[in-house]
Amino acid sequence: DVKVTQSSRYLVKRTGEKVFLECVQDMDHENMFWYRQDPGLGLRLIYFSYDVKMKEKGDIPEGYSVSREKKERFSLILESASTNQTSMYLCASTTEAGARNEQFFGPGTRLTVL
Amino acid sequence: QKEVEQDPGPLSVPEGAIVSLNCTYSNSAFQYFMWYRQYSRKGPELLMYTYSSGNKEDGRFTAQVDKSSKYISLFIRDSQPSDSATYLCAMTYNAGNMLTFGGGTRLMVKP
Repeated sequence: DVKVTQSSRYLVKRTGEKVFLECVQDMDHENMFWYRQDPGLGLRLIYFSYDVKMKEKGDIPEGYSVSREKKERFSLILESASTNQTSMYLCASTTEAGARNEQFFGPGTRLTVL
Repeated sequence: QKEVEQDPGPLSVPEGAIVSLNCTYSNSAFQYFMWYRQYSRKGPELLMYTYSSGNKEDGRFTAQVDKSSKYISLFIRDSQPSDSATYLCAMTYNAGNMLTFGGGTRLMVKP
């Protein structure tokens, strides 16, 4: 079974803090994604990575950066957290060999920025 | 206008009802269509996957794609309280491409 884990389920931070969200997958997947999920807006892609040290901007990259130093780990960084970054953050992974576009998701991190 | 539109609900039905969940989209290039189910406090999981137009059935679930109308549906027969979740449609142009998600519909099945 594919397992995608995220470092925290709930996180409360203050405006201006630097925030790290960690994601680890155990199935040797090439591709990893960070989304944020807000009511009525669905999942919006922040960044994705198709290989170690490679990254591509998604639809809403502003205010975020990412790091992928190892194949299994993909980190999302909020350089200076703001209240409008309060959201549910979901990490996902998929293999290039998969024909079904199936993305495997972690349980999510609910981030509150005060 | 969003690329993929989905009624957010909530949709509340009695146990045993037939449920119809729908998405409309604007980009005719989409070829692959998916439904994800997301339980509360969990990440989404792939429920159904279809390519191009037509129907696909899996147990109590049927996915339907009408590309001419740019409209996809998920039907749930004999709905159960365990079906209570948010259902997200997703679609893409080619296998391996990024997914575009709808906003999700929250479904509540009452015993």
